[in-house]
Amino acid sequence: GESVGLHLPTLSVQEGDNSIINCAYSNSASDYFIWYKQESGKGPQFIIDIRSNMDKRQGQRVTVLLNKTVKHLSLQIAATQPGDSAVYFCAETGAWGKLQFGAGTQVVVTP
Amino acid sequence: DVKVTQSSRYLVKRTGEKVFLECVQDMDHENMFWYRQDPGLGLRLIYFSYDVKMKEKGDIPEGYSVSREKKERFSLILESASTNQTSMYLCASRRQGGADTQYFGPGTRLTVL
Repeated sequence: GESVGLHLPTLSVQEGDNSIINCAYSNSASDYFIWYKQESGKGPQFIIDIRSNMDKRQGQRVTVLLNKTVKHLSLQIAATQPGDSAVYFCAETGAWGKLQFGAGTQVVVTP
Repeated sequence: DVKVTQSSRYLVKRTGEKVFLECVQDMDHENMFWYRQDPGLGLRLIYFSYDVKMKEKGDIPEGYSVSREKKERFSLILESASTNQTSMYLCASRRQGGADTQYFGPGTRLTVL
């Protein structure tokens, strides 16, 4: 079946460096992609989204890149801070706004 | 701000008990969703509702049922809890139509003994 996956289960980043979290998707019909951040003991929190007719979108310290040719999505976090330590999920939408999630990447920010 | 609340943060039940998990959203969203989250498996969709009294099965509906009598409230029911239903349960809501994100509640960590 269709799936959304993440390349790396854990990413260790030094404080102040940039983080890049990757995601592969397989449903070429998806037209909307979302990145969520989940801190320990909390529900997923929306970070940024991108439509399939775009290849880049920027937010505050975050940038999402979409490469439809290779079905690849990435989240870049600039100047990573300790508060960025969390699990990050990518998700793609289907009918009725249903989301298909990847397993998640744990980002650990080290001092 | 969108607010999605869940009735309990932590819940401990015994095998065979009937369990109710409640979710309420305050943004008049049409769509509501129930997921469970397990280590290494990510979020898996149990059931969703696109409007009042409407429900659709997600990817893993077995052992669960839902109720949506009012727009703001979506209940997940475990008719007879089993140990393999020990999990984190997350509720989400979304405005109908367009590319709009789902907003999640804080989750209920359910342990079935």
